[in-house]
Amino acid sequence: QQQVKQSPQSLIVQKGGISIINCAYENTAFDYFPWYQQFPGKGPALLIAIRPDVSEKKEGRFTISFNKSAKQFSLHIMDSQPGDSATYFCAVKPAGAGSYQLTFGKGTKLSVIP
Amino acid sequence: DAGITQSPRYKITETGRQVTLMCHQTWSHSYMFWYRQDLGHGLRLIYYSAAADITDKGEVPDGYVVSRSKTENFPLTLESATRSQTSVYFCASRRPARGASYNEQFFGPGTRLTVL
Repeated sequence: QQQVKQSPQSLIVQKGGISIINCAYENTAFDYFPWYQQFPGKGPALLIAIRPDVSEKKEGRFTISFNKSAKQFSLHIMDSQPGDSATYFCAVKPAGAGSYQLTFGKGTKLSVIP
Repeated sequence: DAGITQSPRYKITETGRQVTLMCHQTWSHSYMFWYRQDLGHGLRLIYYSAAADITDKGEVPDGYVVSRSKTENFPLTLESATRSQTSVYFCASRRPARGASYNEQFFGPGTRLTVL
């Protein structure tokens, strides 16, 4: 069963525009919601993360919006730049001290065109 | 160099052969993970480990074996490679549960494996 559904699969945005990627999860027992960024030929790297007691977190041009009741969280990239072109993955971590594995979405390939 | 390394970076093998992918980290992180990345499937967890000699199955463990005799190493073995195991494999590690960023996983550069 797919615990996290990510959309869209691919996204093309003009330079300076806003990129929005969405994730929906199916289980309420998660306590950590990260977004990872991956450039071609590289491993994923943590971009930004949020915990469920916060509705929004902003780091520079990147913002996570979290809607606990709708079981959704999204990544917003403001003033998108060609250097943001990458694949983005959302993920969820089960709640509890003994849980540490992440389940990832299928990824969104973002292309920012000049 | 500090960090997490994987070897080899590229590997071509034949169906039925045994292949071992190596992962080494210099941070002494307790937790380590193996993922495979395939188009349309994202990152899927194969095996993970909480400490030396403690391993557990992830989402797609069939056909794979892991061991962890030392904290810094976490090799992944394909006992009899199949074409469906052609993929990019990523190793990751996570620090012990202390501090605000303790959930972050640090990924290696990946191994691209082709099974003919």
